[in-house]
Amino acid sequence: DAGVIQSPRHEVTEMGQEVTLRCKPISGHDYLFWYRQTMMRGLELLIYFNNNVPIDDSGMPEDRFSAKMPNASFSTLKIQPSEPRDSAVYFCASRRTSGGDQYFGPGTRLLVL
Amino acid sequence: GENVEQHPSTLSVQEGDSAVIKCTYSDSASNYFPWYKQELGKGPQLIIDIRSNVGEKKDQRIAVTLNKTAKHFSLHITETQPEDSAVYFCAPQTGANNLFFGTGTRLTVIP
Repeated sequence: DAGVIQSPRHEVTEMGQEVTLRCKPISGHDYLFWYRQTMMRGLELLIYFNNNVPIDDSGMPEDRFSAKMPNASFSTLKIQPSEPRDSAVYFCASRRTSGGDQYFGPGTRLLVL
Repeated sequence: GENVEQHPSTLSVQEGDSAVIKCTYSDSASNYFPWYKQELGKGPQLIIDIRSNVGEKKDQRIAVTLNKTAKHFSLHITETQPEDSAVYFCAPQTGANNLFFGTGTRLTVIP
């Protein structure tokens, strides 16, 4: 299996622009998680899905952030409009069953100027 | 939510020595206790985990011990090698799905 796939790997944008991060989970995994990692706050869970349905989005920082999972093999995390404080590494992870091991993607390094 | 603390935040050891990282948590309902390793430029990778009905688990040079009464679990790495250098995270799980990540421990193995 190719593992969790994320794109792009790096993104540089200007404040106010829309940013879309993409994730393809491992085939057969029914849970998908979006995390954000910064030096100041560490690894934070933003939102997770089960069978394509958002279950808990309490970690989403603001209305500028939104996430979708239109099917079992694809999810997006969108930031609109982006701000410099959104600069971070965003990870997607997936898991097969409730309570099982999470597998992380390589991350998207976002820099908002 | 869960309050998770890791100690130490940085750790340097000579190659061949042992390393121990401790994780304390606050929620007594936590039932799954994994450790993740994150290398530079990569996502965290699960290296070992333990469930609440077991006190210790070992996988080659890596072991995890759990003390549910005291609400802490530890990662033990023996015979450390330079490739063990990374940031290690504990992530106790409470409930069905949420992992609460610790602040991380940067381990440096000096050749």
